[in-house]
Amino acid sequence: DSGVTQTPKHLITATGQRVTLRCSPRSGDLSVYWYQQSLDQGLQFLIQYYNGEERAKGNILERFSAQQFPDLHSELNLSSLELGDSALYFCASSPSGGEGETQYFGPGTRLLVL
Amino acid sequence: GQQLNQSPQSMFIQEGEDVSMNCTSSSIFNTWLWYKQDPGEGPVLLIALYKAGELTSNGRLTAQFGITRKDSFLNISASIPSDVGIYFCAGPRAGSYQLTFGKGTKLSVIP
Repeated sequence: DSGVTQTPKHLITATGQRVTLRCSPRSGDLSVYWYQQSLDQGLQFLIQYYNGEERAKGNILERFSAQQFPDLHSELNLSSLELGDSALYFCASSPSGGEGETQYFGPGTRLLVL
Repeated sequence: GQQLNQSPQSMFIQEGEDVSMNCTSSSIFNTWLWYKQDPGEGPVLLIALYKAGELTSNGRLTAQFGITRKDSFLNISASIPSDVGIYFCAGPRAGSYQLTFGKGTKLSVIP
């Protein structure tokens, strides 16, 4: 158990819909990262937050957005969902978000868009 | 952008055998991380390497940070069925906090 929690574990929805994925980092970690894992693309970095502020952006679509709240939990919002958005979405956390810092991953949310 | 190439993509081995997999990059990395992912779970950190030439062990696992800083390998000795999973190498892109992951090596262990 990494100490990072994610909800829900599974999510099934239809194209065009909007969903919110939630992540609670390890106790004491200030930085949160979101990743998308699909069969053909592997693990792709989406976005990083540190203490409520966006720190780095990766391959995140404009239809996706995220935020980190004062209690340090984070939410990833996916809108206008398409079939290709079906994937595993992981949240990770680290103490201060520095370069090369070890990231601890949650169990993931499996999203299926029908 | 920086790419991490892992090989082999998959391997089938007999229980008790040793395993070796590696990761290469066209760019220099300052940190190499090895993660294992079990089916339906998130990646779990196995070993972190921070210095060129560094050799680090974690039980039956040994990983090395290549001298050129463009490669790393992971060895598993005396494999057991619970070693089954996907092994990823990862490292931060130069000057960024972002981790780049290899595509993974899928390990199957035949009892």
